[in-house]
Amino acid sequence: EIVMTQSPATLSVSPGERATLSCRATQSVRTNLAWYQQKPGQAPRLLIYGASTRATGIPARFSGSGSGTEFTLTISSLQSEDFAVYYCQQYNNWPALTFGGGTKVEIK
Amino acid sequence: EVQLLQSGGGLVHLGGSLRLSCAASGFTFSSHAMNWVRQAPGKGLEWVSAISGSGAGKNYADSVKGRFTISRDNSKNTLYLQMNGLRGEDTALYYCAKDGYYFEDWGQGTLVTVSS
Repeated sequence: EIVMTQSPATLSVSPGERATLSCRATQSVRTNLAWYQQKPGQAPRLLIYGASTRATGIPARFSGSGSGTEFTLTISSLQSEDFAVYYCQQYNNWPALTFGGGTKVEIK
Repeated sequence: EVQLLQSGGGLVHLGGSLRLSCAASGFTFSSHAMNWVRQAPGKGLEWVSAISGSGAGKNYADSVKGRFTISRDNSKNTLYLQMNGLRGEDTALYYCAKDGYYFEDWGQGTLVTVSS
């Protein structure tokens, strides 16, 4: 099983600042990586797939990068609606899909 | 517009059974793989099971293999998850999700609580 580890667990950021979230895989997943945002009481929302391709309707302030075992989600200028939990997910080892433990982005 | 409307959750005793449903609309259901993903209270996401568009291909997480069965009825545009031998660690919010690798469309979630 490919284990996905996200860091930090919690990220405190002021509105308007940049947020950088990390995701690491225990073995290469190439660029078969997705990022999701989840707000309380809501289903996850797909942000990024293919490590760097924004999903439909996702604002340009969200960007993804990386390949192999190291990935980054960057939110260039945090808006109030961006405070949420973010998950990475690998699909290179389909069908054994695995998610990271999540990073909570909170207001500083 | 894609819609995935879930039903069938609830409270069940240890060792009991429950069937979840996910009614799909807004897309050609039989052309898309479908998945179940769960989230224990206050925890992260865990992939549970997947089924191909035809229903011929099925896959399960090790944690549910032999206890859960995924199925679909393409004539009714509905996905199912039959859960038997339920354990405390199966307590979670269960989501259905469209497609096979990553998930752009999710159901609203249905809560399954396993009590002793």
